[in-house]
Amino acid sequence: DAMVIQNPRYQVTQFGKPVTLSCSQTLNHNVMYWYQQKSSQAPKLLFHYYDKDFNNEADTPDNFQSRRPNTSFCFLDIRSPGLGDAAMYLCATSRETSGFTDTQYFGPGTRLTVL
Amino acid sequence: GQNIDQPTEMTATEGAIVQINCTYQTSGFNGLFWYQQHAGEAPTFLSYNVLDGLEEKGRFSSFLSRSKGYSYLLLKELQMKDSASYLCAVTDSNYQLIWGAGTKLIIKP
Repeated sequence: DAMVIQNPRYQVTQFGKPVTLSCSQTLNHNVMYWYQQKSSQAPKLLFHYYDKDFNNEADTPDNFQSRRPNTSFCFLDIRSPGLGDAAMYLCATSRETSGFTDTQYFGPGTRLTVL
Repeated sequence: GQNIDQPTEMTATEGAIVQINCTYQTSGFNGLFWYQQHAGEAPTFLSYNVLDGLEEKGRFSSFLSRSKGYSYLLLKELQMKDSASYLCAVTDSNYQLIWGAGTKLIIKP
């Protein structure tokens, strides 16, 4: 089945220790997104890629970086995680950006705990 | 500023009907999505409305009134598995997707 896969599902890291979250997709979609979602809050868009064209949201902290080495994979790097970065990180894809009018398909998420 | 308003939490009974409202104030409009999100899981797509009116899909229907900045999601014949959060999201005139915080729906037997 075509899908969006995220690894790991649960990640525990120490304060200040870099961590990388990964996402892969078999949908062959052009657009990939990274969201941060805290409990009972709306998902917050961190980045999105249209193909390899990188788009950084204005209020995404510098502590967060992203890489998309090819169509199928995308990575989220958190350089120095703080306690406030503990959240669910969601990867999503869509066929075309079409100005965010395309349905987004989400992976299962990675729940990050910072100790 | 841009804003999406949904009730924080609703409770309904198994087998009944529930309507979850969403009002939005955005700079323009290019479509409205409803997503379902079970606790600890990722959102899954339910519906997309860009024109006024009702879209029906099985037990779920979604309604849009662009003039009123209003949508609702109607769930019929509620099942226990429908217990989840329901997120409303709107694409504005700058083609940005604005998310609501979601409505947590609790189904009781």
